[in-house]
Amino acid sequence: DADVTQTPRNRITKTGKRIMLECSQTKGHDRMYWYRQDPGLGLQLIYYSFDVKDINKGEISDGYSVSRQAQAKFSLSLESAIPNQTALYFCATSSPGATGELFFGEGSRLTVL
Amino acid sequence: GEDVEQSLFLSVREGDSSVINCTYTDSSSTYLYWYKQEPGAGLQLLTYIFSNMDMKQDQRLTVLLNKKDKHLSLRIADTQTGDSAIYFCAEKRADTGRRALTFGSGTRLQVQP
Repeated sequence: DADVTQTPRNRITKTGKRIMLECSQTKGHDRMYWYRQDPGLGLQLIYYSFDVKDINKGEISDGYSVSRQAQAKFSLSLESAIPNQTALYFCATSSPGATGELFFGEGSRLTVL
Repeated sequence: GEDVEQSLFLSVREGDSSVINCTYTDSSSTYLYWYKQEPGAGLQLLTYIFSNMDMKQDQRLTVLLNKKDKHLSLRIADTQTGDSAIYFCAEKRADTGRRALTFGSGTRLQVQP
């Protein structure tokens, strides 16, 4: 089983709908992240959380919200999806060690029509 | 500049060496990373280099760091078809304050038989 699991892997929805992407991890890491990937733009940080009570906005948080339900769970919500939120979304975790290595899930592909 | 920059595409023949280049943004970044993304998968850490090093070698991979020019490169010796993927450069910037990584746009490496 994957250490970082994202659900759903693929989702097609309509403009204005509320969408939740879920992430769970078995690595025991405190730090969790949500990134968005667009072709040619690399990965952009949406939100990150360093523990259950610590939530921080990233570079592109507008239109998104998050919930850290437990150490192992970090969900991303789009309250009212719009077409330019069509992208590949990645959840990642890291330990507080010096290298800061990120461990990624396999991604959730979201299409907003 | 504000962005971590990479060329978008590189094509090489099997058996040749590949060199992927990256210009990063923060001269005080402590760690620089190379991640690999295979089709349909999340990113996986390939290698990283600490900022007080000029070079790091790991089997077929050689990382060169030029701090003066804020330039990072990844050389893959004897490139194989299995090396075809997108390669992301990333830095741990001091200005984020929380060690979230900043990624480049990714370089798609195509290895021709």
